[in-house]
Amino acid sequence: SQTIHQWPATLVQPVGSPLSLECTVEGTSNPNLYWYRQAAGRGLQLLFYSVGIGQISSEVPQNLSASRPQDRQFILSSKKLLLSDSGFYLCAWSPTGEAGYTFGSGTRLTVV
Amino acid sequence: KQEVTQIPAALSVPEGENLVLNCSFTDSAIYNLQWFRQDPGKGLTSLLLIQSSQREQTSGRLNASLDKSSGRSTLYIAASQPGDSATYLCAAHTGGFKTIFGAGTRLFVKA
Repeated sequence: SQTIHQWPATLVQPVGSPLSLECTVEGTSNPNLYWYRQAAGRGLQLLFYSVGIGQISSEVPQNLSASRPQDRQFILSSKKLLLSDSGFYLCAWSPTGEAGYTFGSGTRLTVV
Repeated sequence: KQEVTQIPAALSVPEGENLVLNCSFTDSAIYNLQWFRQDPGKGLTSLLLIQSSQREQTSGRLNASLDKSSGRSTLYIAASQPGDSATYLCAAHTGGFKTIFGAGTRLFVKA
Protein backbone atom coordinates (compact mmCIF):
# COMPACT_ATOMS: atom_id res chain seq x y z
CA SER A 1 0.00 0.00 0.00
CA GLN A 2 1.05 3.57 -0.54
CA THR A 3 2.21 5.76 2.33
CA ILE A 4 3.35 9.34 2.56
CA HIS A 5 5.81 10.62 5.13
CA GLN A 6 6.38 14.24 6.04
CA TRP A 7 8.79 15.69 8.58
CA PRO A 8 9.40 17.37 10.88
CA ALA A 9 6.00 17.62 12.58
CA THR A 10 6.78 20.96 14.20
CA LEU A 11 9.48 23.53 13.61
CA VAL A 12 10.32 26.86 15.21
CA GLN A 13 12.77 28.93 13.21
CA PRO A 14 14.10 32.50 13.55
CA VAL A 15 13.48 35.09 10.87
CA GLY A 16 16.18 34.95 8.20
CA SER A 17 17.08 31.30 8.79
CA PRO A 18 16.86 28.64 6.04
CA LEU A 19 14.14 26.03 5.76
CA SER A 20 13.97 22.48 4.46
CA LEU A 21 10.84 20.33 4.73
CA GLU A 22 10.88 16.85 3.27
CA CYS A 23 8.16 14.60 1.95
CA THR A 24 8.52 11.05 0.64
CA VAL A 25 6.03 8.62 -0.84
CA GLU A 26 6.31 4.84 -0.72
CA GLY A 27 4.57 2.11 -2.70
CA THR A 28 4.00 3.96 -5.97
CA SER A 29 5.94 5.26 -8.95
CA ASN A 30 5.89 8.62 -10.70
CA PRO A 31 3.32 10.22 -8.39
CA ASN A 32 2.11 13.78 -8.78
CA LEU A 33 3.37 15.64 -5.70
CA TYR A 34 2.05 18.81 -4.09
CA TRP A 35 2.93 21.30 -1.36
CA TYR A 36 0.05 23.17 0.27
CA ARG A 37 -0.06 25.78 3.02
CA GLN A 38 -2.98 26.13 5.37
CA ALA A 39 -3.41 29.40 7.25
CA ALA A 40 -5.42 29.40 10.47
CA GLY A 41 -9.16 29.26 9.72
CA ARG A 42 -8.62 29.34 6.00
CA GLY A 43 -8.60 26.92 3.10
CA LEU A 44 -5.59 25.24 1.57
CA GLN A 45 -3.37 27.18 -0.79
CA LEU A 46 -1.44 25.27 -3.45
CA LEU A 47 2.21 26.33 -3.41
CA PHE A 48 3.96 23.90 -5.78
CA TYR A 49 3.23 20.77 -7.74
CA SER A 50 5.43 18.32 -9.60
CA VAL A 51 4.67 15.71 -12.24
CA GLY A 52 8.17 14.25 -12.39
CA ILE A 53 11.80 14.50 -11.29
CA GLY A 54 13.06 18.04 -11.65
CA GLN A 55 9.68 19.32 -12.87
CA ILE A 56 8.29 21.96 -10.54
CA SER A 57 5.38 24.32 -11.11
CA SER A 58 4.87 27.28 -8.81
CA GLU A 59 1.41 28.58 -8.12
CA VAL A 60 2.22 31.49 -5.85
CA PRO A 61 5.33 33.70 -6.16
CA GLN A 62 6.87 33.88 -2.72
CA ASN A 63 9.85 33.30 -0.52
CA LEU A 64 9.72 29.53 -0.98
CA SER A 65 11.02 27.05 -3.54
CA ALA A 66 10.53 23.35 -4.15
CA SER A 67 12.65 20.58 -5.58
CA ARG A 68 12.13 16.97 -6.58
CA PRO A 69 15.54 15.28 -6.62
CA GLN A 70 14.09 11.76 -6.72
CA ASP A 71 10.86 10.26 -8.05
CA ARG A 72 9.22 9.97 -4.64
CA GLN A 73 10.90 12.84 -2.78
CA PHE A 74 9.63 16.40 -2.63
CA ILE A 75 11.39 19.15 -0.72
CA LEU A 76 10.16 22.61 0.28
CA SER A 77 12.88 25.17 0.95
CA SER A 78 13.60 28.75 1.77
CA LYS A 79 16.90 30.61 1.95
CA LYS A 80 15.63 33.22 4.43
CA LEU A 81 12.38 32.78 6.31
CA LEU A 82 9.93 35.63 6.87
CA LEU A 83 7.38 35.96 9.66
CA SER A 84 4.66 35.55 7.03
CA ASP A 85 5.98 32.07 6.18
CA SER A 86 4.49 30.73 9.42
CA GLY A 87 1.73 28.22 8.84
CA PHE A 88 0.80 24.58 8.46
CA TYR A 89 2.49 22.94 5.48
CA LEU A 90 1.03 19.83 3.91
CA CYS A 91 2.48 17.51 1.33
CA ALA A 92 0.15 15.42 -0.85
CA TRP A 93 0.34 12.95 -3.71
CA SER A 94 -2.02 11.63 -6.37
CA PRO A 95 -1.57 8.89 -8.98
CA THR A 96 -2.86 11.08 -11.82
CA GLY A 97 -4.07 14.63 -12.17
CA GLU A 98 -7.71 13.58 -11.91
CA ALA A 99 -7.44 11.10 -9.04
CA GLY A 100 -7.96 11.85 -5.39
CA TYR A 101 -5.29 13.20 -3.09
CA THR A 102 -3.56 11.61 -0.11
CA PHE A 103 -2.03 13.98 2.40
CA GLY A 104 0.87 13.73 4.79
CA SER A 105 0.57 14.57 8.47
CA GLY A 106 1.75 18.17 8.05
CA THR A 107 4.46 20.43 9.48
CA ARG A 108 3.59 23.29 11.81
CA LEU A 109 6.14 26.05 11.06
CA THR A 110 6.45 29.01 13.39
CA VAL A 111 8.84 31.78 12.39
CA VAL A 112 9.88 33.92 15.35
CA LYS B 1 -12.60 30.78 -11.56
CA GLN B 2 -13.73 27.90 -9.38
CA GLU B 3 -14.85 28.80 -5.86
CA VAL B 4 -15.81 26.28 -3.19
CA THR B 5 -17.98 27.28 -0.25
CA GLN B 6 -18.87 25.24 2.81
CA ILE B 7 -21.84 26.06 4.97
CA PRO B 8 -22.12 26.16 7.91
CA ALA B 9 -18.65 27.16 9.09
CA ALA B 10 -19.30 25.45 12.42
CA LEU B 11 -21.90 23.02 13.72
CA SER B 12 -22.64 21.59 17.15
CA VAL B 13 -24.99 18.62 17.50
CA PRO B 14 -25.89 16.12 20.23
CA GLU B 15 -24.61 12.58 19.95
CA GLY B 16 -26.76 10.27 17.83
CA GLU B 17 -28.08 12.96 15.52
CA ASN B 18 -27.95 12.56 11.74
CA LEU B 19 -26.41 15.57 10.04
CA VAL B 20 -25.62 17.02 6.63
CA LEU B 21 -22.63 19.12 5.66
CA ASN B 22 -22.88 21.22 2.53
CA CYS B 23 -20.36 22.06 -0.16
CA SER B 24 -21.08 24.25 -3.17
CA PHE B 25 -18.89 25.00 -6.18
CA THR B 26 -19.30 27.60 -8.90
CA ASP B 27 -17.96 25.71 -11.94
CA SER B 28 -19.73 22.44 -12.73
CA ALA B 29 -16.85 21.25 -14.94
CA ILE B 30 -15.16 19.18 -12.26
CA TYR B 31 -13.35 15.84 -12.54
CA ASN B 32 -14.16 14.76 -9.03
CA LEU B 33 -15.07 15.97 -5.57
CA GLN B 34 -13.32 14.71 -2.47
CA TRP B 35 -14.31 14.96 1.20
CA PHE B 36 -11.66 15.07 3.90
CA ARG B 37 -11.56 15.05 7.66
CA GLN B 38 -8.97 17.06 9.59
CA ASP B 39 -8.34 16.71 13.30
CA PRO B 40 -6.69 19.67 15.10
CA GLY B 41 -3.04 20.00 14.16
CA LYS B 42 -3.17 16.98 11.85
CA GLY B 43 -3.14 16.33 8.15
CA LEU B 44 -6.18 15.66 5.97
CA THR B 45 -7.68 12.17 5.90
CA SER B 46 -9.63 11.26 2.78
CA LEU B 47 -13.17 10.12 3.49
CA LEU B 48 -14.87 9.79 0.13
CA LEU B 49 -14.03 10.54 -3.51
CA ILE B 50 -16.85 11.03 -6.01
CA GLN B 51 -15.98 10.99 -9.69
CA SER B 52 -17.86 13.38 -11.96
CA SER B 53 -19.82 10.48 -13.48
CA GLN B 54 -21.02 9.28 -10.09
CA ARG B 55 -23.92 10.51 -7.96
CA GLU B 56 -22.85 9.26 -4.56
CA GLN B 57 -20.38 7.24 -2.55
CA THR B 58 -20.84 5.49 0.78
CA SER B 59 -18.44 4.37 3.49
CA GLY B 60 -19.86 3.10 6.75
CA ARG B 61 -21.93 5.88 8.35
CA LEU B 62 -20.87 8.38 5.71
CA ASN B 63 -22.63 9.10 2.43
CA ALA B 64 -21.55 11.78 -0.01
CA SER B 65 -23.63 12.94 -2.94
CA LEU B 66 -22.74 15.02 -5.97
CA ASP B 67 -25.03 17.14 -8.14
CA LYS B 68 -22.90 18.80 -10.78
CA SER B 69 -25.80 20.63 -12.41
CA SER B 70 -26.57 22.52 -9.23
CA GLY B 71 -22.95 22.77 -8.10
CA ARG B 72 -23.54 21.01 -4.82
CA SER B 73 -22.23 18.13 -2.77
CA THR B 74 -23.41 16.95 0.61
CA LEU B 75 -21.79 14.76 3.25
CA TYR B 76 -24.32 12.87 5.34
CA ILE B 77 -23.17 11.50 8.70
CA ALA B 78 -25.53 9.03 10.33
CA ALA B 79 -25.79 8.51 14.08
CA SER B 80 -23.05 11.00 14.93
CA GLN B 81 -20.54 10.19 17.67
CA PRO B 82 -18.16 12.37 19.72
CA GLY B 83 -15.31 10.82 17.73
CA ASP B 84 -16.74 12.45 14.61
CA SER B 85 -15.76 15.86 15.99
CA ALA B 86 -13.33 17.38 13.49
CA THR B 87 -13.18 19.80 10.59
CA TYR B 88 -14.59 18.48 7.33
CA LEU B 89 -13.30 19.87 4.04
CA CYS B 90 -14.49 19.35 0.51
CA ALA B 91 -12.29 19.78 -2.55
CA ALA B 92 -13.31 20.15 -6.19
CA HIS B 93 -10.80 18.99 -8.77
CA THR B 94 -11.11 21.06 -11.91
CA GLY B 95 -8.32 19.51 -13.94
CA GLY B 96 -4.82 20.65 -14.79
CA PHE B 97 -3.61 19.97 -11.23
CA LYS B 98 -6.07 22.51 -9.89
CA THR B 99 -7.99 21.41 -6.85
CA ILE B 100 -9.94 24.05 -4.94
CA PHE B 101 -10.59 23.45 -1.26
CA GLY B 102 -13.39 24.84 0.84
CA ALA B 103 -12.58 26.48 4.18
CA GLY B 104 -14.24 23.60 6.03
CA THR B 105 -17.04 22.96 8.48
CA ARG B 106 -15.98 22.51 12.11
CA LEU B 107 -18.16 19.82 13.66
CA PHE B 108 -18.59 19.25 17.39
CA VAL B 109 -20.62 16.27 18.57
CA LYS B 110 -21.66 16.55 22.20
CA ALA B 111 -21.76 13.41 24.35
